Amino acid sequence: SQQGEEDPQALSIQEGENATMNCSYKTSINNLQWYRQNSGRGLVHLILIRSNEREKHSGRLRVTLDTSKKSSSLLITASRAADTASYFCATGHELKEYIFGTGTRLKVLA
Amino acid sequence: DAGVTQSPTHLIKTRGQQVTLRCSPKSGHDTVSWYQQALGQGPQFIFQYYEEEERQRGNFPDRFSGHQFPNYSSELNVNALLLGDSALYLCASSLEGRETQYFGPGTRLLVL
Repeated sequence: SQQGEEDPQALSIQEGENATMNCSYKTSINNLQWYRQNSGRGLVHLILIRSNEREKHSGRLRVTLDTSKKSSSLLITASRAADTASYFCATGHELKEYIFGTGTRLKVLA
Repeated sequence: DAGVTQSPTHLIKTRGQQVTLRCSPKSGHDTVSWYQQALGQGPQFIFQYYEEEERQRGNFPDRFSGHQFPNYSSELNVNALLLGDSALYLCASSLEGRETQYFGPGTRLLVL
């Protein structure tokens, strides 16, 4: 079963704009990770945020985590055509299982 | 430093057949997890292997089984294939105690 729900399901923006996607989950977590997937191939790990952290940055990526609302957001600044991909959040739990959301399909138009 | 590798890249089978997919973890990693990703969906956790034992299992029937070898590589076996088993099968490796998983490119299975 899917734990997380990404919102929106699809997003189309112009190159240079910022892209924000959200993830909501249902149960308590140890950490939350964001992944990128190009054209139905393997997933690339982007960033991990632990349950005791509220915000993390990595290059053009900014992730926030609100455990009281059971939600996270991923912001990609100054988007590029190469950012076109599907983005998934995955929640990490005590039992080592990672549960993925349904994904946001991002399209960056040149 | 080789990343996670999977073989084969594509596979076509018919209903009722059996299939074996293979995964070599990233160098130094000792834990392997398998995921099934149906078209348009997020990956679903099948099971995880550590020290050659199945440590955690998702909501998948017994038709799905696996194995981990002493060199940490792993196999996923699916028996009595159904049309609904058509999906991208992803292998992810990690180091015990570390949270980040590294994914392979996947094996795309089509069941006719």
